Amino acid sequence: DVKVTQSSRYLVKRTGEKVFLECVQDMDHENMFWYRQDPGLGLRLIYFSYDVKMKEKGDIPEGYSVSREKKERFSLILESASTNQTSMYLCASSLGGSVRPEAFFGQGTRLTVV
Amino acid sequence: DAKTTQPPSMDCAEGRAANLPCNHSTISGNEYVYWYRQIHSQGPQYIIHGLKNNETNEMASLIITEDRKSSTLILPHATLRDTAVYYCIVKAPAGNNRKLIWGLGTSLGVNP
Repeated sequence: DVKVTQSSRYLVKRTGEKVFLECVQDMDHENMFWYRQDPGLGLRLIYFSYDVKMKEKGDIPEGYSVSREKKERFSLILESASTNQTSMYLCASSLGGSVRPEAFFGQGTRLTVV
Repeated sequence: DAKTTQPPSMDCAEGRAANLPCNHSTISGNEYVYWYRQIHSQGPQYIIHGLKNNETNEMASLIITEDRKSSTLILPHATLRDTAVYYCIVKAPAGNNRKLIWGLGTSLGVNP
């Protein structure tokens, strides 16, 4: 089974801190994604990556950056955490260029910024 | 990518079939229909996808109308563990846009 693992299930950080959310997948998938999910707004794409060192902005990239140095790992960075970044963060991966690009998700990280 | 419309909530009795509708009237010829579900406090889980023909797997069946403007996800014998939010998404599988556009889905409640 595909496994997408996020480093933390729950995280509490202070305003202004630099926050790293890590995601690792074990199925050699080309594509990786970071979403945030808020009540009433659904899943919104922050960034995605379709290859090592390649990244593209999603719908809400402001205040975030990403890093993909190895194929299996995709990191989301909050440069200076703010309270409006309190949210559930979901990482996903999928095969590239395939007729079956279904995405596999991690269990999520619930981040609280105080 | 085409937009989808789903009812915000539905209820189903345990052991009965749950039929979840989705409208996608602007779907393009190369766009697939995907279904995911999200159980509370977990990441979304892929269920099934299809292009034109009806599809079935161990989790569910997908019925797509002949004009492809709507589809129905069928859980043949719903259990309490099927209580979740179900998302219908339409998307072309390849190309530069690899994103999935998520709506708010249908919250399915399975009652004992």
